[in-house]
Amino acid sequence: EVYLVESGGGLVQPGGSLRLSCAASGFTFSDFSMNWVRQVPGKGLEWISYIISTANAKYYADSVKGRFTISRDNAKNSVYLQMNSLRAEDTAVYYCARDSRYSFDFWGLGTLVTVSS
Amino acid sequence: DIQMTQSPSSVSASVGDKVTITCRASQGINRWLAWYQQKPGKVPNLLIYGTSNLQSGVPSRFSASGFGTDFTLTISSLQPEDFATYFCQQADSFPWTFGQGTKVEIK
Repeated sequence: EVYLVESGGGLVQPGGSLRLSCAASGFTFSDFSMNWVRQVPGKGLEWISYIISTANAKYYADSVKGRFTISRDNAKNSVYLQMNSLRAEDTAVYYCARDSRYSFDFWGLGTLVTVSS
Repeated sequence: DIQMTQSPSSVSASVGDKVTITCRASQGINRWLAWYQQKPGKVPNLLIYGTSNLQSGVPSRFSASGFGTDFTLTISSLQPEDFATYFCQQADSFPWTFGQGTKVEIK
């Protein structure tokens, strides 16, 4: 069975940094592209980043470009999101999601990031 | 960026009703349009990928179609477990974008 488990969320002050991790299991991680998607509780979904299986291509939403960096370690079956210069509007639940045929077929349970002083 | 606009924002319906949700793209997109269902407190669940392909395990009462800028998700006979929020998502070009969601409520 496919599992995605996010970690690393928490409370951080504006301007601070966090590194999210997503540990994958139950599938051949190196065969799949991965994504990060976030959601303000009670609001809609926002795709924020994508990394291809080989890590040779990465894409970002305009709202996080230049501040967030996606990476992966196929040996550790993990994908990461380094978040710098955090703002109040980055407060959300962050999900990692597996990419399959340009859609998100498996999601983690999410990790909450709260940016507040 | 491609904007995705769903309509209606919410719909009230009864068990057994047919429900149709529309997703309009701000420019023509290819077949990479997906639909998700999200229940309160739960993770989104993929229903449809590639405009019209039913994800494994999704009931056949869900169907979808579309081309260009206009796409639809149809629930042929609404069941109690279908009351949820539905999102469309385009993966035609980066940045990938979601619609704002359509909440299907009990009438």
